[in-house]
Amino acid sequence: QQQVKQSPQSLIVQKGGIPIINCAYENTAFDYFPWYQQFPGKGPALLIAIRPDVSEKKEGRFTISFNKSAKQFSLHIMDSQPGDSATYFCAASTRDYKLSFGAGTTVTVRA
Amino acid sequence: DAGVIQSPRHEVTEMGQEVTLRCKPISGHNSLFWYRQTMMRGLELLIYFNNNVPIDDSGMPEDRFSAKMPNASFSTLKIQPSEPRDSAVYFCASSMVSEAFFGQGTRLTVV
Repeated sequence: QQQVKQSPQSLIVQKGGIPIINCAYENTAFDYFPWYQQFPGKGPALLIAIRPDVSEKKEGRFTISFNKSAKQFSLHIMDSQPGDSATYFCAASTRDYKLSFGAGTTVTVRA
Repeated sequence: DAGVIQSPRHEVTEMGQEVTLRCKPISGHNSLFWYRQTMMRGLELLIYFNNNVPIDDSGMPEDRFSAKMPNASFSTLKIQPSEPRDSAVYFCASSMVSEAFFGQGTRLTVV
């Protein structure tokens, strides 16, 4: 069974909208939470990552919100662009950095 | 650095044949991971090496799968005999600390 649950499976937004992807986990030993972006025919690429000692992290138009008590974290894509259309995966790992991935969310940004 | 290099990019083989996938990690990285991606099961970790030593192979689905890392710059994933249900995209990833860099993947089709 997947150790990280991700939703929604897909979403469509207009250019400039803010897609939000949510993930939840159960293993309290997880202490590293990255998000990966994958384009068709390519391998996943690290987008942004957070550790549980902070509640929010921003890198450019991408923001992670982290709620340790609820064991949930989310990705927000601000001012989304058609070039952001991709599949996004949340993941989690313990200190050995073996990643457990969510099922993925296909984001489509319409011009 | 050229990143993680996988070969071949595509492989089509007949059921029962042996298949060998190859990976060259990023120079200086001490951890190497093999993942499998399918629509049904998403991204699954198969095996994890640290300093060329297999640390966790609990994700290897069956004895038909084996992986080796004879040196810091090369790893192989072998399937013998292959079956149609092995059809998937296989990714190799390497890391130094937390960030895992993925290769382009090998798309395997077993007919």
